[in-house]
Amino acid sequence: DTAVSQTPKYLVTQMGNDKSIKCEQNLGHDTMYWYKQDSKKFLKIMFSYNNKELIINETVPNRFSPKSPDKAHLNLHINSLELGDSAVYFCASSLGGTTYEQYFGPGTRLTVT
Amino acid sequence: AQSVTQLGSHVSVSEGALVLLRCNYSSSVPPYLFWYVQYPNQGLQLLLKYTSAATLVKGINGFEAEFKKSETSFHLTKPSAHMSDAAEYFCAVSEGNNDMRFGAGTRLTVKP
Repeated sequence: DTAVSQTPKYLVTQMGNDKSIKCEQNLGHDTMYWYKQDSKKFLKIMFSYNNKELIINETVPNRFSPKSPDKAHLNLHINSLELGDSAVYFCASSLGGTTYEQYFGPGTRLTVT
Repeated sequence: AQSVTQLGSHVSVSEGALVLLRCNYSSSVPPYLFWYVQYPNQGLQLLLKYTSAATLVKGINGFEAEFKKSETSFHLTKPSAHMSDAAEYFCAVSEGNNDMRFGAGTRLTVKP
């Protein structure tokens, strides 16, 4: 069983479109995250949810909106896609408490043309 | 806020040689420190973590790291590199608040 899964794995779309990336974890974790990894492999946190509540909201364009329907899911919706949004997006989850390591999904490679 | 600096964006070693990947951190409280590995086209996988227990931490695949508070360092080592160790390695720091910050990564190349 995959611990943290993301769909789709690849996403190619045109500028101006709206797209969503889905993330699910079956680890029973309380906290989930979205990261953006650029072409130079730099990993930047975007959002974090704990028990469906937003706890970290880094400076990202408001075209990006996370949605957590339940503790096991954290989706990322992106409006009006721009060329600069092209990157690999990773979902992660952690148990919280004194155990802070994060478990990562396989990533979604977004290409905006 | 916590931060991490990884010295050397690219490290190249010969197979069988010592691997040393450097990481220095900044934190206002005792930190939690992590090393992750990313193989091509995959997500990040935890190698090891320091959570204020033993300062020498052993991880998977023969890697270990030593926490040195006086040097604010958490360098990753492996005595003998294997071809399969070629990957991107990330050091990360958390102040125990579910907020983890990653370094810029170090690409390890292993030459035959």
